[in-house]
Amino acid sequence: DIQMTQSPSMLSTSAGDRVTITCRASQRINSYLNWYQQKPGTAPKLLIYAASSLQRGVPSRFSGSGSGTDFTLTISSLQPEDFATYYCQQSYRTPYSFGQGTKLEIK
Amino acid sequence: QVQLVESGGGLVKPGGSLRLSCAASGFAFSDYYMSWIRQAPGKGLEWVAYITSGGTTMDYADSVKGRFTISRDNTNYSLSLQMNSLRAEDTAVYFCARDRVKWGGPYYFDFWGQGILVTVSS
Repeated sequence: DIQMTQSPSMLSTSAGDRVTITCRASQRINSYLNWYQQKPGTAPKLLIYAASSLQRGVPSRFSGSGSGTDFTLTISSLQPEDFATYYCQQSYRTPYSFGQGTKLEIK
Repeated sequence: QVQLVESGGGLVKPGGSLRLSCAASGFAFSDYYMSWIRQAPGKGLEWVAYITSGGTTMDYADSVKGRFTISRDNTNYSLSLQMNSLRAEDTAVYFCARDRVKWGGPYYFDFWGQGILVTVSS
């Protein structure tokens, strides 16, 4: 099975900050990597698919990069509504797997 | 617009059974794979199962293999998850999610239901 490891697990940040979250796969997954945002009590929302493609309707301050085993999600300038938990997910092969999540907290 | 609405959750005793349903609307249901994903209280996301667009192939996480069965009814735009031999560790919010389109392309979960809570406890 493919293990996904995110870092950091938690990040205290401020509105306006640039934030980078990393995700590492235990084996090569090409670009089969997606990013989701989840707010408390709601379903996850797809932000980025295929490592770097922005899902329709997602603000351009979100971007993704990487290939192989190492990936990043970048938020260029944090907005108040971006404080949430972020998950990476590999879709290279089943069992699909998610990272453990990165929670963005207000500093 | 795409909508996925889960139902059938609740409290069940260990060893018991429960059947979840997901009603889909707003898209060509039979063109898409569908998945179930769960989230234990305060924990991360765990993929549970998927089913191909025609319902001919299914795959499961090891943690549920042999106990859970995913199925679909393309006529009625419905997805189901039959859960047997339930354990305390199956307690979670269960989400149905739209998976890949049948003719290929990127694989991701682009639409999710609101989730339904399943609690396994005596």
